[in-house]
Amino acid sequence: GESVGLHLPTLSVQEGDNSIINCAYSNSASDYFIWYKQESGKGPQFIIDIRSNMDKRQGQRVTVLLNKTVKHLSLQIAATQPGDSAVYFCAENIYSGAGSYQLTFGKGTKLSVIP
Amino acid sequence: EAGVTQFPSHSVIEKGQTVTLRCDPISGHDNLYWYRRVMGKEIKFLLHFVKESKQDESGMPNNRFLAERTGGTYSTLKVQPAELEDSGVYFCASSQLLLGYSTDTQYFGPGTRLTVL
Repeated sequence: GESVGLHLPTLSVQEGDNSIINCAYSNSASDYFIWYKQESGKGPQFIIDIRSNMDKRQGQRVTVLLNKTVKHLSLQIAATQPGDSAVYFCAENIYSGAGSYQLTFGKGTKLSVIP
Repeated sequence: EAGVTQFPSHSVIEKGQTVTLRCDPISGHDNLYWYRRVMGKEIKFLLHFVKESKQDESGMPNNRFLAERTGGTYSTLKVQPAELEDSGVYFCASSQLLLGYSTDTQYFGPGTRLTVL
C-alpha cells in the first residue's frame, strides 16, 4: 500500500475498546482543525472538525479535543470496530496569503483493531 | 451526490515521459486543491484553484508541473517530463464555501498513484 516506506506510529486496540489518537500541530495561529481517516486505496475521508474557539466537539462515536496551550489535538473513538482500522491524520488549515488556506497534514497514525 | 473523482487511479510511466492527471470536483465546489504524498513523506499541498484561477500555487515543486482548470470545472495536473522523485499519490480535494473562510471542509478524491520508472 502507499504507506510502505512511511513509518507510521501504530495503535492496536481490541474491538469494543476506546481508541485515542494524538496529534501535535505546529502553527499557533491555526484556527481550524480536521481529522481525516484514510483506508487503503482511498483518499482521506473527513471525520470531524473543530474550530479554535472550542476545546471539544463530539460526533457519532468520535470526539475531538483541542488544547491550544500545548498545540495538541486528540481523536477519541468509542467502542472501536474493525471498520475503524485505517490511518488517521490530523490537519490544520493554515492561511497561506492572498485569501487562500491550505491543509497541513500530520504524519498519521495507523489504527489496527483486533477482533 | 457524487464525490471527488480522479483519473486514472494508477499510472506507470518511464522517466522523461509526460503524464496528465484529472480531477472532477464535487459539483458546485468553486475551490479545488491538489495535494501529493511522495514515499515516506506527509501529504503536502501543491496548489489551490478558485474557479478557473490559481489562487495559491506555492506548493508546486518546480516548472515540470502544470495545473489547469479551464472553465472552472475539472482540473488537470500535467507532469512533463516526469522524474523518479515524482512517484507518489496525487490527491485532489474540493470545497464549497467562499474564499477566505478558514473553515471550508475539503473533500478528497481517491487519488492517483503515479509510478515513474
